[in-house]
Amino acid sequence: GAGVSQTPSNKVTEKGKYVELRCDPISGHTALYWYRQSLGQGPEFLIYFQGTGAADDSGLPNDRFFAVRPEGSVSTLKIQRTERGDSAVYLCASSLLGGAQYFGPGTRLTVL
Amino acid sequence: AQTVTQSQPEMSVQEAETVTLSCTYDTSESDYYLFWYKQPPSRQMILVIRQEAYKQQNATENRFSVNFQKAAKSFSLKISDSQLGDAAMYFCAPPPETSGSRLTFGEGTQLTVNP
Repeated sequence: GAGVSQTPSNKVTEKGKYVELRCDPISGHTALYWYRQSLGQGPEFLIYFQGTGAADDSGLPNDRFFAVRPEGSVSTLKIQRTERGDSAVYLCASSLLGGAQYFGPGTRLTVL
Repeated sequence: AQTVTQSQPEMSVQEAETVTLSCTYDTSESDYYLFWYKQPPSRQMILVIRQEAYKQQNATENRFSVNFQKAAKSFSLKISDSQLGDAAMYFCAPPPETSGSRLTFGEGTQLTVNP
């Protein structure tokens, strides 16, 4: 594809529910990143994949958050037992090794 | 940890004029990249310009250029001939702790372009 794509663009869920957010990186990009952006702030790092493995997951806020990238391409960010504080825009980016990160349009998650 | 400071929460510029957004950062690396991203209301982060620290020459992309001062750890963005479409939040991203790893963003500078 031409750029990073993310689905859904918007997700509304109820407190306590489980959600999955999908990221489809630029073809050939080995690195994939997830960030979270709250209103009025810059993106905050969550997790970084190099290939299939999580190279750095130190930004995940707690064990309710988990991400996978089983085939080294598409990634899914999974949030269990959602809380109102999880409401934010979730951004995905991809890059070649050591290259600039290119971002997707984000998924706006709203937890009611 | 990498840190970045954008000291101007908001800036405004008249259409067709020039504006400079400031950024200072901290790093222990000697060879690295620096980035400016813009985020319009559509919320997509768009790469504006990239600077390689080992290059003496400041990067330029059309109307966008940087003033990179490595010793001072300063990386400002100059926008010439400002256009209405330049209105956005601008984020400076300092060098990742290791090549290819996370970017750390500051709180950004909200740029308004007045017609």
